[in-house]
Amino acid sequence: QVQLQESGPGLVKPSQTLSLTCTVSGGSISSGDYYWSWIRQPPGKGLEWIGYIYYSGSTYYNPSLKSRVTISVDTSKNQFSLKLSSVTAADTAVYYCARVLVTTVTADYWGQGTLVTVSS
Amino acid sequence: EIVMTQSPATLSVSPGERATLSCRASQSVSSNLAWYQQKPGQAPRLLIYGASTRATGIPARFSGSGSGTEFTLTISSLQSEDFAVYYCQQYNNWWTFGQGTKVEIK
Repeated sequence: QVQLQESGPGLVKPSQTLSLTCTVSGGSISSGDYYWSWIRQPPGKGLEWIGYIYYSGSTYYNPSLKSRVTISVDTSKNQFSLKLSSVTAADTAVYYCARVLVTTVTADYWGQGTLVTVSS
Repeated sequence: EIVMTQSPATLSVSPGERATLSCRASQSVSSNLAWYQQKPGQAPRLLIYGASTRATGIPARFSGSGSGTEFTLTISSLQSEDFAVYYCQQYNNWWTFGQGTKVEIK
């Protein structure tokens, strides 16, 4: 069974860059059947899609975040990563990584999520 | 951006009763609509995709319907484990989520 696990700092200072990594186990990130996605959820609020990446490196970003987001993939480590630049308190959220089926473009497996707080 | 609007915000239902949740899109998303369930402290779980197809392992009491701009998630007989927040998501034009409907015990 595939598992996803987010990792990275839980506290980031304003104006700095948030960096998270998602490690995939139980399946290959190089499978052509999936995209690999980041989604976030501010405390007590709803879900916001950040973007997703294909194993080839093709990326698809939320237009509202596109100028600040970079998603990359490392197939040798079976990992993909998120960088969000120039963060503010509004970027405080639980960040989830997820596997997205290419056929349905829906997320069938999710990581447990990691809380990132933006504060000085 | 396609805006997804869910109603009601909170639905109070007794165990064993039927729950009907609504989701409206600001423009047509065809059948590119999914439903997710989220319990406190957990990641969302995919319930429905393609507006009406149950995901793997999802019980038959969950059903989805609709197309275009109007969608419904029905839980035919609420079980204790079904009390949660439900989100609709369109994937016709990137992804956007509704704000969620909380299904609580009456």
